[in-house]
Amino acid sequence: GIQVEQSPPDLILQEGANSTLRCNFSDSVNNLQWFHQNPWGQLINLFYIPSGTKQNGRLSATTVATERYSLLYISSSQTTDSGVYFCAVVQGGGGADGLTFGKGTHLIIQP
Amino acid sequence: DTAVSQTPKYLVTQMGNDKSIKCEQNLGHDTMYWYKQDSKKFLKIMFSYNNKELIINETVPNRFSPKSPDKAHLNLHINSLELGDSAVYFCASSPRGEQYFGPGTRLTVT
Repeated sequence: GIQVEQSPPDLILQEGANSTLRCNFSDSVNNLQWFHQNPWGQLINLFYIPSGTKQNGRLSATTVATERYSLLYISSSQTTDSGVYFCAVVQGGGGADGLTFGKGTHLIIQP
Repeated sequence: DTAVSQTPKYLVTQMGNDKSIKCEQNLGHDTMYWYKQDSKKFLKIMFSYNNKELIINETVPNRFSPKSPDKAHLNLHINSLELGDSAVYFCASSPRGEQYFGPGTRLTVT
């Protein structure tokens, strides 16, 4: 099956800093999503981005499907950005296939 | 209105019991899923269900069975619970693109 690798595994930043999270995947994908799991365990949809670039406030994401990677940018970090960020993909073929998740990046924003 | 809901939010039970977790979505999506998040926070697909087509992850024990009474509901029934079944279980739904997750059910088997 497809492999999803996220880096870095852990990241500690001061409030106001910028960060870039990376997701590499081993095969073509029909679906790529970024999630934020907050400290209460909720999985929050950030981006649905199988290709291209999207922005939402302080967050933006870019997926380069031909090179099999995606980047999540967080600018002007706030303490509420803390949590685990997951990249997840559906391999080419789609249908009702489930997402394959990476192991996540654990982000801690210190005040 | 809650898009994808699960009940209960917490479930504590003893080994050997049978339990069910319910999931409902009001988004009109055709496909629903169950995922398991283990103690290391790794998320893995268990089942997907679309128009009565069930796709099973082969690593899921047959003690786990999804049941769909209608398009808006996909329940998870677990027989003979084991300690290793302790985890957070997430339901999700999709219109065959972006997937939307419920709040999760934390199952603890003692």
